[in-house]
Order: sequence, then C-alpha cells, then structure tokens
Amino acid sequence: DAKTTQPTSMDCAEGRAANLPCNHSTISGNEYVYWYRQIHSQGPQYIIHGLKNNETNEMASLIITEDRKSSTLILPHATLRDTAVYYCIVRDRIIIQGAQKLVFGQGTRLTINP
Amino acid sequence: DGGITQSPKYLFRKEGQNVTLSCEQNLNHDAMYWYRQDPGQGLRLIYYSQIVNDFQKGDIAEGYSVSREKKESFPLTVTSAQKNPTAFYLCASSIPGQSYNEQFFGPGTRLTVL
Repeated sequence: DAKTTQPTSMDCAEGRAANLPCNHSTISGNEYVYWYRQIHSQGPQYIIHGLKNNETNEMASLIITEDRKSSTLILPHATLRDTAVYYCIVRDRIIIQGAQKLVFGQGTRLTINP
Repeated sequence: DGGITQSPKYLFRKEGQNVTLSCEQNLNHDAMYWYRQDPGQGLRLIYYSQIVNDFQKGDIAEGYSVSREKKESFPLTVTSAQKNPTAFYLCASSIPGQSYNEQFFGPGTRLTVL
C-alpha cells in the first residue's frame, strides 16, 4: 500500500481558506488519492478524489503535484462546521473481488476558530 | 431518504457475552464493510462483502463474525473471543467495480464492554 503522511493537527480562522497537505511519495501510477472527513462521533464522509489533475467540487478543491507525490485539500471558506478529522487515503492497489479496501491513517485534526 | 442505518448508537454488554451490531442500507449497493475505530486512531477494516452470501476477512477479523443473507443487511457479531471489544464500529457500503471507490458510512455504534 502507498502510505500517506499528514500533519497531526492544524488550525484555521473562520472564513479563511484551509489548506491540508498530504504526502504520498510511494504512490503508484493507477492509485487514486481520496479525501474523507470525520466529524466527532460520526461516520466518515467522502469529500473528493483525484488521479492526476486538480479537482473541484462543491465541498473542496484537490491539488495534486505533477509528480503525484503530494496533494493539498483546500476548503476555500472554512466554517465552524468544517472542524473535523481529515483523512488522506491512497486506494489500496489490490482490488479484491470488486470491493475496494481503503486504508485510513490517523488523519489531520482541523480546528476552525471563530 | 437513502442511507445506511446502524443501531443502536450506544451499546453496553458484559464481558464474555456475544453481541450483534446491526447495519442496514437502502442504497442498493452490493459491497458492504465493517470498520473498527479506537480513540484517536484511524479506521481498521474488520470484514467486507462484495455480494450476498460472500464475505472476506479484513485486517482485524479475529473475534468477529458476519453474515450477508440479504443485500440490504450486513450484521456484525462481536464474540467473546475478541480480546478488546470496546470501540466505535462503523459500517459502510459502496458500488463495486467503479474506477474509484466512494464509501458511504453509517452513523456508527459505540460498544462498551463492562
């Protein structure tokens, strides 16, 4: 599995952009980068995924470096409700009978301050 | 509303008793998963199932059992053989065979063994 490295915690002011980095230097060519977040005591929620190109949806933007060894999740205008643990995941290469394993690390605890 | 239901939200059991956690989905997803989360840690995969009557062990299957008799349901039994069963348990589902894997999570069951 390609491993990911994320800072343990980050703070951001409400209304500002939150930029969450992730290193995945051993990523292979066909592996996607996924981001999920988990608000306290709830199930994780999918945010965005990407392969090579930058991606944007209604929740966030994902910037992947050209060598694919790192990525940044951007929440453009953070609100208090964005306080959560954010997981950067590189999909397990082994596709087992169509059910695909996701390996969750410890993530980054993002705190949005008023 | 489509989604994943886990019940109950909080569960208490005495040591040595088996306990079954419920997971139901009406998303018409073929693949379902069970994860365990300990305080301050990421998620670890217990079991997964691609299709009815099929399931496979994940990374920490010892002391757990599952069944998949219906597409909508994937109950998890925590047996007395599980040495440290107190944890937060999360169920998820996905559509297998996609080029990417978005997993939808339930709200979780917090199990405490006394």
